Amino acid sequence: SAVISQKPSRDICQRGTSLTIQCQVDSQVTMMFWYRQQPGQSLTLIATANQGSEATYESGFVIDKFPISRPNLTFSTLTVSNLSPEDSSIYLCSVEDLYSYEQYFGPGTRLTVT
Amino acid sequence: ELKVEQNPLFLSMQEGKNYTIYCNYSTTSDRLYWYRQDPGKSLESLFVLLSNGAVKQEGRLMASLDTKARLSTLHITAAVHDLSATYFCAVGNDPHGQNFVFGPGTRLSVLP
Repeated sequence: SAVISQKPSRDICQRGTSLTIQCQVDSQVTMMFWYRQQPGQSLTLIATANQGSEATYESGFVIDKFPISRPNLTFSTLTVSNLSPEDSSIYLCSVEDLYSYEQYFGPGTRLTVT
Repeated sequence: ELKVEQNPLFLSMQEGKNYTIYCNYSTTSDRLYWYRQDPGKSLESLFVLLSNGAVKQEGRLMASLDTKARLSTLHITAAVHDLSATYFCAVGNDPHGQNFVFGPGTRLSVLP
């Protein structure tokens, strides 16, 4: 199974600023995914990040608000830009094991926007 | 558009009892997942079901998949307090992770 770490684990940010979240995996993976979990809610897929290509965004999420980088097969970043209180959520990255189809999740980054 | 429903959304049960959580989805899928989430924690993978009729068991939890009915069940046998958590099902209908949709979750509370 993959071991995933995220930084920071939590942050409090002011309205209008940006936060970049890092996701590191202990093995090379083709696809990484970014999710948002709003308070008391389920998870919503933001985008799929493939190494060497542009991220693919789900409906309702745009690159200007959630730019993603994927410089190599073990690392990705998600930036949440121009923060508003509605962005207060937990952001999780995940990876898929192509053989078992298991999806593994990182510990999450808890963002609070004041 | 793929939609995933769960019921019940909230479940309070006594220790020792059995219960079933249901997960319905709206379009054909070949992959169904069950996850557990404890408060303030990330998701723990419980089961991956990949074919019609698949049944998997781990401890007091058993999951099954009926792709024709677009239904999965998570059965809890002789519940214990440690099973208290939120349980999510998730369904994928693209080859690798894309269009992966979570259900709303079932918040389970097992009372002594």
